[in-house]
Amino acid sequence: EAQVTQNPRYLITVTGKKLTVTCSQNMNHEYMSWYRQDPGLGLRQIYYSMNVEVTDKGDVPEGYKVSRKEKRNFPLILESPSPNQTSLYFCASSSPGIVSPLHFGNGTRLTVT
Amino acid sequence: SQQGEEDPQALSIQEGENATMNCSYKTSINNLQWYRQNSGRGLVHLILIRSNEREKHSGRLRVTLDTSKKSSSLLITASRAADTASYFCATAPLTGTASKLTFGTGTRLQVTL
Repeated sequence: EAQVTQNPRYLITVTGKKLTVTCSQNMNHEYMSWYRQDPGLGLRQIYYSMNVEVTDKGDVPEGYKVSRKEKRNFPLILESPSPNQTSLYFCASSSPGIVSPLHFGNGTRLTVT
Repeated sequence: SQQGEEDPQALSIQEGENATMNCSYKTSINNLQWYRQNSGRGLVHLILIRSNEREKHSGRLRVTLDTSKKSSSLLITASRAADTASYFCATAPLTGTASKLTFGTGTRLQVTL
């Protein structure tokens, strides 16, 4: 089954404790992206990757890192999480073209205390 | 940065009724996409309409696009309780890649029995 898999589904952590949210897709998509969703603000793009070893900042990249060493994986790293990073995070993938629909993971709900 | 703005923010109807939600955007687009999000889950692509199309159908969904007014509408006919979800429009600019897709803040649809 074609899917985007994120882990973990829920995560509670404390300020400053490094964490990684994993994302993997099995559709051989070149493009992958991370979004955060906050009430009233919709989806905001954090980082994206057009292919292996090619990453770029989205609209809200501060406090996040990503890497793309393999085509299927695109982990999101929070080196020193802060409470304002409490949010619902989504990974998405697609073919790179402008008419390609995005396939989303089921989300990671992160709480930073 | 947000491009699409959905209206209304929330909509409550009874099963069997039609639901209409609207999306307005600011700059010229290549295409506009609609996504559905069940509570706390990942977004699911519903339909894409290109800038040279005026109307598109998919099952019980009907999407219209008026580029002169920079607006789109999503009509769900004969709604069901399972249609209860948030609906987002996403706009793709004239040029670029999938990385440029921007989402609105969504319409919450509640379908009651």
